[in-house]
Amino acid sequence: ETGVTQSPTHLIKTRGQQVTLRCSSQSGHNTVSWYQQALGQGPQFIFQYYREEENGRGNFPPRFSGLQFPNYSSELNVNALELDDSALYLCASSLQGRGTGELFFGEGSRLTVL
Amino acid sequence: GENVEQHPSTLSVQEGDSAVIKCTYSDSASNYFPWYKQELGKGPQLIIDIRSNVGEKKDQRIAVTLNKTAKHFSLHITETQPEDSAVYFCAVLLGTASKLTFGTGTRLQVTL
Repeated sequence: ETGVTQSPTHLIKTRGQQVTLRCSSQSGHNTVSWYQQALGQGPQFIFQYYREEENGRGNFPPRFSGLQFPNYSSELNVNALELDDSALYLCASSLQGRGTGELFFGEGSRLTVL
Repeated sequence: GENVEQHPSTLSVQEGDSAVIKCTYSDSASNYFPWYKQELGKGPQLIIDIRSNVGEKKDQRIAVTLNKTAKHFSLHITETQPEDSAVYFCAVLLGTASKLTFGTGTRLQVTL
C-alpha cells in the first residue's frame, strides 16, 4: 500500500463526454503526477503538479487538464473524450525538492470510452 | 526526448530459476533508474532503484546493475517464486524532474 488513493476505480463514458478523476497523495508528498497506461503499454507521462501549478507536461492535447489543491490532492480532467482515451489513469505522488525521483503510484482509474 | 527499450517482452522461467530483464536508454544525462512491478488490476509498485553514481544494488533476491557507458541497466531476480509473476517495467529519470519514461514492460511467468 502506497497511501495514494484514486477514484473512481472504474468508469464508462461515451465519446464527446467529459470526465474528472481524483487522487489523494501519500501523506507528506507535495507533488502529484498523472500517467496514462494503455492496455499492454508502459505508463505515459501526462503532467505533474507542484504547489498547485503545472510543472511539466507530456505529449497530451490541451483537453487534458488538471488541478492541485492546497492539501496536495489532485484532479485530472479530460474533455471531448475520444475512443483512444480508454486506458488506466495512474496518479503518482512524490516529494519535490528531494530530487530522488521516487514515485508512488495509486491503483488507477480505468476509463472506458464507448 | 528520452527513449527506453526493454527486453524481453515475455519471459517464462521455472520456479527457482533466475530471471533477467534488460533496458537501454538514450540520454546519457539520465540519473535515476527504478524498476516497477505491476500485478493484474493494480498500480505499479517500486521494487528497486539505482542511481547513476552506483553500479549495482541488491535487495534480497532482487538486484539491479547499471552500465552507464553502454547506457543499459538490468533487473535480476534469483530463486524465482510464483508470486514473482507480474509485469515488470523499467523507467528512467532525466535530471531532477519527476517525469519518468517507462519501458514497454516484461511479462514474467514463473511456472511450478
